[in-house]
Amino acid sequence: DIQMTQSPSSLSASVGDRVTITCRASQSISSYLNWYQQKPGKAPKLLIYAASSLQSGVPSRFSGGGSGTDFTLTISSLQPDDFATYYCQLISDTPTFGGGTKVEIK
Amino acid sequence: QVHLQESGPGLVKPSQTLSLTCTVSRGSISRGSYSWGWIRQPAGEGLEWIGRIYTSGSTDYNPSLKSRVTISIDTSKNQFSLKLSSVTAADTAVYYCARGVTGLLDGMDVWGQGTTVTVSS
Repeated sequence: DIQMTQSPSSLSASVGDRVTITCRASQSISSYLNWYQQKPGKAPKLLIYAASSLQSGVPSRFSGGGSGTDFTLTISSLQPDDFATYYCQLISDTPTFGGGTKVEIK
Repeated sequence: QVHLQESGPGLVKPSQTLSLTCTVSRGSISRGSYSWGWIRQPAGEGLEWIGRIYTSGSTDYNPSLKSRVTISIDTSKNQFSLKLSSVTAADTAVYYCARGVTGLLDGMDVWGQGTTVTVSS
């Protein structure tokens, strides 16, 4: 089974900061990776699909990169609405989520 | 915009079967290139993918749950359902249904609000 490891598990940042979250696959997955944002008590929201494609309606400050085993989700300038938990997800016959990264206010 | 809504018992006894239904509204469950899936989240923990079904009826399941899970679809009612047998306290979680879009690499673009299921006697 392919394992997905996210890092860090949590981070503290200020409004306006550039934030990068990493997701590493235990073997190459090409670009078969999506990213989600989840706020407390809410369902996840799709941000990025196919590693780097921005889902419709998602602000352009979000971007995804990488291929193979190493992937990143970057928020170019953190906004108050962005404090949330972020999950990567392997796309396969049995999709697997990473452990999540909680972005907190510094 | 299509809307998903989970329904089912909020309390299930250990060893019994958890049954949930997801009703799709403002759109047809059988039109388009979609999968229909279930995801769960224990309190304070991460997301766990349970499985999905296509309108063809084909299914994929999480190997760790496969022996206990059945997902079915009823296109006449615009619903799909989850059954999880032999539940234990470890199955206590918020259960979400979601739509996967083939064109988004099966990215799940529409989610239900989630329903809390507690396994307890």
